[in-house]
Amino acid sequence: AQSVAQPEDQVNVAEGNPLTVKCTYSVSGNPYLFWYVQYPNRGLQFLLKYITGDNLVKGSYGFEAEFNKSQTSFHLKKPSALVSDSALYFCAVRRPPYGGATNKLIFGTGTLLAVQP
Amino acid sequence: GAGVSQTPSNKVTEKGKYVELRCDPISGHTALYWYRQSLGQGPEFLIYFQGTGAADDSGLPNDRFFAVRPEGSVSTLKIQRTERGDSAVYLCASSLTSREGEQYFGPGTRLTVT
Repeated sequence: AQSVAQPEDQVNVAEGNPLTVKCTYSVSGNPYLFWYVQYPNRGLQFLLKYITGDNLVKGSYGFEAEFNKSQTSFHLKKPSALVSDSALYFCAVRRPPYGGATNKLIFGTGTLLAVQP
Repeated sequence: GAGVSQTPSNKVTEKGKYVELRCDPISGHTALYWYRQSLGQGPEFLIYFQGTGAADDSGLPNDRFFAVRPEGSVSTLKIQRTERGDSAVYLCASSLTSREGEQYFGPGTRLTVT
């Protein structure tokens, strides 16, 4: 069965400091991994995805994520946090699109990022 | 261009009533998805359409839930005999293809069953 774990309910960081939001996954086969951000009263916004290739993926708003197959992790990172980055972040996984695999995303429970000025 | 739109944004209904939630995907997107997000949780998959057909409905919780996409564009999620436990935000997403395309989400419909 596929699953995603986001071990931290909340991450606090000071503006200008680097941030990391953790995600580990369990899926059979090579995973497709995604990060989404949710601002209050707004829908989920796509940040970045890993399908294949370079383990370091760059996305929107200066975010990046590192795929680590041996640790089954896909942590979200940003070198310098902004107050406007404060939001709820979701990691998601799906199985690759072959062998009858469905296209559904399995989401983690989310991590609230709070960036203090 | 226009994103995924969902109507209504909020819906309050009484227990036992029937509700319909509408999703208008991004133009040209062939795949459409419904998810449900309860408070403090991540979205949970309900159903996925490729074109007009439901390719995967394994996430529908029971036979009170049904969804259609008759012309391969707009989709309607239908809930019969609503229960208080159905209260949640219902999210719709679409993607250009079903293979590798990332899913783009609408703002959601907040359903409250009293």
